[in-house]
Amino acid sequence: DIQMTQSPSSLSASVRDRVTITCRASQSIGSYLNWYQQKPVKAPKLLIYAASSLQSGVPSRFSGSGSGTDFTLTISSLQPEDFATYYCQQSYSTPWTFGQGTKVEIK
Amino acid sequence: QVQLVQSGAEVKKPGASVKVSCKASGYPFTSYPISWVRQAPGQGLEWVGWISAYNGNTNYAQNLQGRVTMTTDTSTSTAYMELRSLRSDDTAVYYCARAYHIILLPAANPPCYYMDVWGKGTTVTVSS
Repeated sequence: DIQMTQSPSSLSASVRDRVTITCRASQSIGSYLNWYQQKPVKAPKLLIYAASSLQSGVPSRFSGSGSGTDFTLTISSLQPEDFATYYCQQSYSTPWTFGQGTKVEIK
Repeated sequence: QVQLVQSGAEVKKPGASVKVSCKASGYPFTSYPISWVRQAPGQGLEWVGWISAYNGNTNYAQNLQGRVTMTTDTSTSTAYMELRSLRSDDTAVYYCARAYHIILLPAANPPCYYMDVWGKGTTVTVSS
């Protein structure tokens, strides 16, 4: 199975901060990497697919980059509604696997 | 609009079975697989498996092989996930999601799947 490791596991940030979350795969996965946002007691929401494509309706302050084993999710200017947990997920091979999550909290 | 509506919460005893439904609307049901993901209390996301709504082909997480069965009913655009021999560590919220895909160039590459529409989740509690 491909292991996905996110860092950090949690972070504290202020509104309008630039936030970067990294995700590392245990083997090369090309661009088969997706990012999700999850708020408490809600279903995950797709933000980025194929490493860098912004899902329709997602604000442009979210962006994704990377390929191979190293990927990044960036929020250019954190907004109050962005405080949530973020997960990366690979779809290069089954079983699809998720990172352990990064919780973004208010400083 | 595209949506997935899941069945209600379930409480089961250890050793019992549960069958969760996921009714799709707003798109051609057979065009996209349905994936299932679960989340134990306070934990992260775990992929359970997926089913092709086109031909019924399935792919399950190895740790659930033998206990999980996914099916579809194309006449009602509904996907089902049955989990048998329930244990306390099966207690979780179970989500269904549509597995959309794009082709990454070069075209010979396999499609890149991603879960773009999610159900609200079904809480399954296993307790004696």
